[in-house]
Amino acid sequence: DGGITQSPKYLFRKEGQNVTLSCEQNLNHDAMYWYRQDPGQGLRLIYYSQIVNDFQKGDIAEGYSVSREKKESFPLTVTSAQKNPTAFYLCASKRGFEPEAFFGQGTRLTVV
Amino acid sequence: AQSVTQLDSHVSVSEGTPVLLRCNYSSSYSPSLFWYVQHPNKGLQLLLKYTSAATLVKGINGFEAEFKKSETSFHLTKPSAHMSDAAEYFCVVSNTGTASKLTFGTGTRLQVTL
Repeated sequence: DGGITQSPKYLFRKEGQNVTLSCEQNLNHDAMYWYRQDPGQGLRLIYYSQIVNDFQKGDIAEGYSVSREKKESFPLTVTSAQKNPTAFYLCASKRGFEPEAFFGQGTRLTVV
Repeated sequence: AQSVTQLDSHVSVSEGTPVLLRCNYSSSYSPSLFWYVQHPNKGLQLLLKYTSAATLVKGINGFEAEFKKSETSFHLTKPSAHMSDAAEYFCVVSNTGTASKLTFGTGTRLQVTL
């Protein structure tokens, strides 16, 4: 089945540690996105990528980094510089000119 | 620039009664509009989309929405609520083209009671 796979589903991190969230898609979509979701705030865009080896900052990129070495993969690293990383993270992808995005099941990150 | 305002953060209805979730948008372009649904600790599922075709859009699970340009609205409705409809609903606007980004509303939590 085609889709977007995020892993792990739950992740715990100690303060001061970097952690990487995985996002893989087999939909052959060009664009991929990372969103952060906090209660009552909707989804906010962290980073997005339109093509391999290129990515752009979204609205809340500080403390995060990404790479796009392969079309199907768009991992997100939450660095120790992110002051409040506890949140639900959603990865999405879309085909170039089609408007709708498809979402993974999310990763819940908790800093302990 | 584009933005979305969901007018209610929480809506409660009885099972079998109509559902109305309100959404207003702002966009400098001819927008694409979407409604997504999210169940707890899950990803987002597309309910329906408007992309400049018919203004009344039918989606999955009996939901529909009407695009009203004069009112800049895209309200989501369903004639009869079911318990399984209880979830968070997001109204989303997107401009067109390969560089399009989605802008989300803050969500409406739908509660369905017996």
